[in-house]
Amino acid sequence: DAKTTQPTSMDCAEGRAANLPCNHSTISGNEYVYWYRQIHSQGPQYIIHGLKNNETNEMASLIITEDRKSSTLILPHATLRDTAVYYCIVRVGQYNYGQNFVFGPGTRLSVLP
Amino acid sequence: GAVVSQHPSRVICKSGTSVKIECRSLDFQATTMFWYRQFPKQSLMLMATSNEGSKATYEQGVEKDKFLINHASLTLSTLTVTSAHPEDSSFYICSAADRGGSTEAFFGQGTRLTVV
Repeated sequence: DAKTTQPTSMDCAEGRAANLPCNHSTISGNEYVYWYRQIHSQGPQYIIHGLKNNETNEMASLIITEDRKSSTLILPHATLRDTAVYYCIVRVGQYNYGQNFVFGPGTRLSVLP
Repeated sequence: GAVVSQHPSRVICKSGTSVKIECRSLDFQATTMFWYRQFPKQSLMLMATSNEGSKATYEQGVEKDKFLINHASLTLSTLTVTSAHPEDSSFYICSAADRGGSTEAFFGQGTRLTVV
């Protein structure tokens, strides 16, 4: 699976949009971009994933550049409960039969009141 | 959505004793389950992959005789930390793959193990 690079930490004001970048310059054509987050002392929580089109769900939006070498996770209206470590993961295949997720250090997002 | 339940959420044990952690898939069948370990301020590190009915595959550096994994059914995998030592204190997290196929991995809520 391709390697990802994320900023170590970011701050965001409550109520504003949080934009979390991720670089994955060596991504292959069959690799998807997944985002998970981990709130302190909990297991990772799935947020969103995509291949090449932008995606949106009730939690967030995922913007993938045309060359697929980078992406941005957008939390439209950050709340204090969004404070967590956010992991950008690139992996082969959309279905995870027997395939684990490889976690990097992630981005520690702090939402400030 | 699919749920993975992990038990216990916290456990404190004495050095030299063994601790069992359970990971259950509540509403789906999990052919494969993964066990991760997370030390403070670090990311999740895969320890082993367990497949129902067969021996687990351990990552390099993880002692299979110390971390016993059993995946006897499609809904339950257990991790037993044998002869625990203070350096085994960590956050242990399981993850399950839906046999029916899914787009995301499902994670348990984690177990905080403290060995005193």
